[in-house]
Amino acid sequence: DTAVSQTPKYLVTQMGNDKSIKCEQNLGHDTMYWYKQDSKKFLKIMFSYNNKELIINETVPNRFSPKSPDKAHLNLHINSLELGDSAVYFCASSPRRGYTDTQYFGPGTRLTVL
Amino acid sequence: QQQVKQSPQSLIVQKGGISIINCAYENTAFDYFPWYQQFPGKGPALLIAIRPDVSEKKEGRFTISFNKSAKQFSLHIMDSQPGDSATYFCAASIRDGGFKTIFGAGTRLFVKA
Repeated sequence: DTAVSQTPKYLVTQMGNDKSIKCEQNLGHDTMYWYKQDSKKFLKIMFSYNNKELIINETVPNRFSPKSPDKAHLNLHINSLELGDSAVYFCASSPRRGYTDTQYFGPGTRLTVL
Repeated sequence: QQQVKQSPQSLIVQKGGISIINCAYENTAFDYFPWYQQFPGKGPALLIAIRPDVSEKKEGRFTISFNKSAKQFSLHIMDSQPGDSATYFCAASIRDGGFKTIFGAGTRLFVKA
């Protein structure tokens, strides 16, 4: 039943490791996003995909690589994790590209880098 | 120019009172202004939204007031309830390649019973 789901919910790892976060939406939406929410709750867009095509790529380090195997999935792979990557990562989806529509957020993945 | 400034950072209101959160923006290309509500451990969820051609929108106890000339908008929560205690984000959306939403820094609202 979950509209936007993310796995895992919690991720604790050592500096320098590589990790992935998976996102799936069953809403039939065309557009998906990754956001980073830092410890002060500030929410910043990282990437946006529409029908598997990258349409927004904010100034995010190259260590972050999104992958969209189909329009229902958008995964985030992070290489060489750093302490500053610790945050909550939210996946979201919205129905239409270039349209000011509601975004539906997943429950978040809390990443802790030790 | 793509910032959205939100205040206050935190707000304590008595049950039954009015909660007011303010936001300001610079870029006149923003064309959609949503408010999101986030409870601890959850993702943000849309609360109410407005377009710049409308000066006010009301949904139940929640009202957005929009001042296009001042580039400001605010959220009013009437008859605030303890269940309204959450973090509130204003946001502004722009067509920039795709559809990009810029969030304010958030306001932590606590409603005292």
